[in-house]
Amino acid sequence: DAGITQSPRHKVTETGTPVTLRCHQTENHRYMYWYRQDPGHGLRLIHYSYGVKDTDKGEVSDGYSVSRSKTEDFLLTLESATSSQTSVYFCAIKEGGRTDTQYFGPGTRLTVL
Amino acid sequence: AQSVTQLGSHVSVSEGALVLLRCNYSSSVPPYLFWYVQYPNQGLQLLLKYTSAATLVKGINGFEAEFKKSETSFHLTKPSAHMSDAAEYFCAVSEIQGAQKLVFGQGTRLTINP
Repeated sequence: DAGITQSPRHKVTETGTPVTLRCHQTENHRYMYWYRQDPGHGLRLIHYSYGVKDTDKGEVSDGYSVSRSKTEDFLLTLESATSSQTSVYFCAIKEGGRTDTQYFGPGTRLTVL
Repeated sequence: AQSVTQLGSHVSVSEGALVLLRCNYSSSVPPYLFWYVQYPNQGLQLLLKYTSAATLVKGINGFEAEFKKSETSFHLTKPSAHMSDAAEYFCAVSEIQGAQKLVFGQGTRLTINP
């Protein structure tokens, strides 16, 4: 357990509505990530952060934005949700030093109707 | 660009049999390689990782993987399958330096038959 929580854990929303997912960590790790998991695609990186207010795009960033105003929180926003964004979203943190490994949160299942 | 191919989206073995899950990668730079396991309705758990030290890497739950540069492979093995090994397994690659942006394979679902 790397002290990662995600909220909400489940959400159903309608096309065109904004949605924000929250990732919270308790151990002050510098790097945080958002991935989405879809059948047949494994996990794909959406955005990541390397510090407060420092973020960058991943492989599938279109339609998503992120913010990190505090070390412990990394928010993922879908400005106008589409059905193609129905997925399971995972947050991860990277422990540095000798470990240098990513640990994943429990996931958020998002359904866009 | 980096990529990962996992051969076989579903693998089924008998309890006590050898488990072999295949992973081939493509990377223009020396990679880090990882195997993660996902149990139903849970997040991903690290099984093991290769970080350019020993080519044979031992992980948790009796799993191990061997990095073979000439074959660009990082196959996961376990000598004797247990019912509790039933899960989905993901191979991933990243660059050694920088943000460790993981690129995952599509996953292999392992079923254990009694």
